Amino acid sequence: EDQVTQSPEALRLQEGESSSLNCSYTVSGLRGLFWYRQDPGKGPEFLFTLYSAGEEKEKERLKATLTKKESFLHITAPKPEDSATYLCAVQADGSNSGYALNFGKGTSLLVTP
Amino acid sequence: DAGVIQSPRHEVTEMGQEVTLRCKPISGHDYLFWYRQTMMRGLELLIYFNNNVPIDDSGMPEDRFSAKMPNASFSTLKIQPSEPRDSAVYFCASSLPGVDQPQHFGDGTRLSIL
Repeated sequence: EDQVTQSPEALRLQEGESSSLNCSYTVSGLRGLFWYRQDPGKGPEFLFTLYSAGEEKEKERLKATLTKKESFLHITAPKPEDSATYLCAVQADGSNSGYALNFGKGTSLLVTP
Repeated sequence: DAGVIQSPRHEVTEMGQEVTLRCKPISGHDYLFWYRQTMMRGLELLIYFNNNVPIDDSGMPEDRFSAKMPNASFSTLKIQPSEPRDSAVYFCASSLPGVDQPQHFGDGTRLSIL
């Protein structure tokens, strides 16, 4: 069975203090790994899709990387507006999987001034 | 551009009542997804449609839940009868065809069953 585990569950950073969020996954075949950001009271907002080990994508202070077993979301010099819950999801490669996304439970990030 | 629109944003009702959640996907998106989010279980896929046809409903918890998509711009998720354990935030998402296309989410309906 596909599994997605995110760590830590919660992370508190000072403004400017860089860190990384982890997403470990177990899937028979990876079609894609997705990162989303979710603000309180809102739906998840798409950030990145990664497809193969070694791939990296960047957006402002965020950089996502992918290996065969996990993905990291690196946050460089975070600002308070980066505070949110970050969700990781995998899409499995298989005829029975279709377009289904399997989400982790997320990392709640708080960046203080 | 308008995103995915869900209504109502909040619903509070008593156990045993019928609940209907509504979703308008982004125009031109062929895929529509219904998710449920709870603290315990996170975000779970309930059902998804392609061109108004249900493709995978294996996540629908039980027969009390049903979903329809009568046309390309409207879908409903119905719970009848509702139970307190159905309390959660329900999200609708839509996407373009193609497995590399991201799903775009609405802001959800927060459902409380008393």
